[in-house]
Amino acid sequence: KAGVTQTPRYLIKTRGQQVTLSCSPISGHRSVSWYQQTPGQGLQFLFEYFSETQRNKGNFPGRFSGRQFSNSRSEMNVSTLELGDSALYLCASSPGGGETNVLTFGAGSRLTVL
Amino acid sequence: DQQVKQNSPSLSVQEGRISILNCDYTNSMFDYFLWYKKYPAEGPTFLISISSIKDKNEDGRFTVFLNKSAKHLSLHIVPSQPGDSAVYFCAATADASGTSYGKLTFGQGTILTVHP
Repeated sequence: KAGVTQTPRYLIKTRGQQVTLSCSPISGHRSVSWYQQTPGQGLQFLFEYFSETQRNKGNFPGRFSGRQFSNSRSEMNVSTLELGDSALYLCASSPGGGETNVLTFGAGSRLTVL
Repeated sequence: DQQVKQNSPSLSVQEGRISILNCDYTNSMFDYFLWYKKYPAEGPTFLISISSIKDKNEDGRFTVFLNKSAKHLSLHIVPSQPGDSAVYFCAATADASGTSYGKLTFGQGTILTVHP
């Protein structure tokens, strides 16, 4: 069974640009969550999608957005990039039922903002 | 406001001995707790979890203990192996709230090093 796949694995952007990250969940998983990991703040929850609907959202500015497609694949977008957005962005999936909070994580997308 | 805290940034143990990783939380709504381990360049991997209705859960070499009154949990690894060297994260969620979809609150992590 393939795991959670995130693309791209590494990317470099400059301030003011925007970026889109992609996540393919485990087959059959309908819930996709996104997290940001930085040395200072640790792992922080961004948002969660289930059946193409955002069900939960963390405390991030509106520059951070996401969406989920009918095949459960998800994308997140960060607009007007700032230096502080440099981080490892992790996607996680779960079945979406009773085991919602046992998340399986992907390897992450490492974003560097110059 | 850090609702989940792992006060030890690092822990070093000898192979074969016990590793004890600790975690404290402040939010009384948390009722489900998980431990993840993370190797460099990989995402966190689920290790073991415990519901607040229990005070202990075992899975092979890994045991998690929960002390609700102290808002404290610990992960015991016995015996420790060099391959256990990784960053260990404690996480918590308010599962019964019905609104915690996908949201885990993580501690800052503890780097475990197991020496041969």
